[in-house]
Amino acid sequence: DAKTTQPNSMESNEEEPVHLPCNHSTISGTDYIHWYRQLPSQGPEYVIHGLTSNVNNRMASLAIAEDRKSSTLILHRATLRDAAVYYCILRGSGGGADGLTFGKGTHLIIQP
Amino acid sequence: EPEVTQTPSHQVTQMGQEVILRCVPISNHLYFYWYRQILGQKVEFLVSFYNNEISEKSEIFDDQFSVERPDGSNFTLKIRSTKLEDSAMYFCASSVKQGSAGYTFGSGTRLTVV
Repeated sequence: DAKTTQPNSMESNEEEPVHLPCNHSTISGTDYIHWYRQLPSQGPEYVIHGLTSNVNNRMASLAIAEDRKSSTLILHRATLRDAAVYYCILRGSGGGADGLTFGKGTHLIIQP
Repeated sequence: EPEVTQTPSHQVTQMGQEVILRCVPISNHLYFYWYRQILGQKVEFLVSFYNNEISEKSEIFDDQFSVERPDGSNFTLKIRSTKLEDSAMYFCASSVKQGSAGYTFGSGTRLTVV
């Protein structure tokens, strides 16, 4: 899988927007950009994924750069429950390697 | 919202014993996975399973590991002869498609080998 680069940690205040960046300069044309998060003592949780266009769901928004070499996960109004490790992972759409490769992710700290 | 269910939540076993970790994936999903996370470390891919066979496995998934889908709902991970270093959280996941759909993870089984 192509590599992603994320900051080790970020801090934000409750009820403010959070922008979590991810660089993936070696992304291939068929790679989807996935975001997962892992709350303390829980399993990874799917957040959002996209290919080229920006995506919105009830949890977050995903902004994808035009050249697809970077993306940003946006939490519109952070709560204390959003404190977690956020992983940006690239996945192909079929054939070849199948498992998700988790990096160290970004540890998001939310201050009350 | 559909969930991936894992049992047991915690398993303690003696070194050298066999353990079976159980998972019930989401019913319309076709791809099934096992991951593990040693305490304080990254989540690591073990194996993927599709159409009743292993489609990919990592270097971690050696001969002591096996997976099975014994019926239409369960997906199991067997560790034949457990070692101390097998102590970890084991997560099952499922997906309806590769890549272009999200993966749903279970809440995990904490395996402690003593």
